Amino acid sequence: DAGVTQSPTHLIKTRGQQVTLRCSPKSGHDTVSWYQQALGQGPQFIFQYYEEEERQRGNFPDRFSGHQFPNYSSELNVNALLLGDSALYLCASSDRTSLIFGPGTRLTVT
Amino acid sequence: GENVEQHPSTLSVQEGDSAVIKCTYSDSASNYFPWYKQELGKGPQLIIDIRSNVGEKKDQRIAVTLNKTAKHFSLHITETQPEDSAVYFCAAPSGYALNFGKGTSLLVTP
Repeated sequence: DAGVTQSPTHLIKTRGQQVTLRCSPKSGHDTVSWYQQALGQGPQFIFQYYEEEERQRGNFPDRFSGHQFPNYSSELNVNALLLGDSALYLCASSDRTSLIFGPGTRLTVT
Repeated sequence: GENVEQHPSTLSVQEGDSAVIKCTYSDSASNYFPWYKQELGKGPQLIIDIRSNVGEKKDQRIAVTLNKTAKHFSLHITETQPEDSAVYFCAAPSGYALNFGKGTSLLVTP
């Protein structure tokens, strides 16, 4: 079992650009959550997708949007990138028990 | 929403000693408390969790205790080894999300 996979591993973008990050959940998991982890901080909840709908959203602006596909995989989109968006973006999947994280995508905005 | 406080922020122990990390939470309705270990360059890894119907759970050298009255829970690592060196995060639920503490950087010196 590959667990949660994310792509790309690293990404460098310029301020004002747009970015799309991708996630495949662990086999058997139907729920995907996205977290942002700034350097030296704990993960911050962005949103969760279940049955292709955003089920809960954290305190992030509308520049952050997402999508879940019928195969349960998910994308995170960030528009109009700011320098402060530089962080590790973590995808996590779950069934009805525990939350399992992927390795993350390191986004650097210059 | 749920507020999670974690202490200490850094902890240095000698190999073989015990390490204890403490967290407090604010929402008395919270009923699930996981602990994650994050190594450099990796996503958080679930190491142990506890639900509110038990006061303690053990898994080999790792244990978690929960005091619902005081609204705090702790991670105990016995017989520490250098490979236990990492950042540890506690978390508590807020709806479908997890709110994380700010993390404890544990260093185990040989």
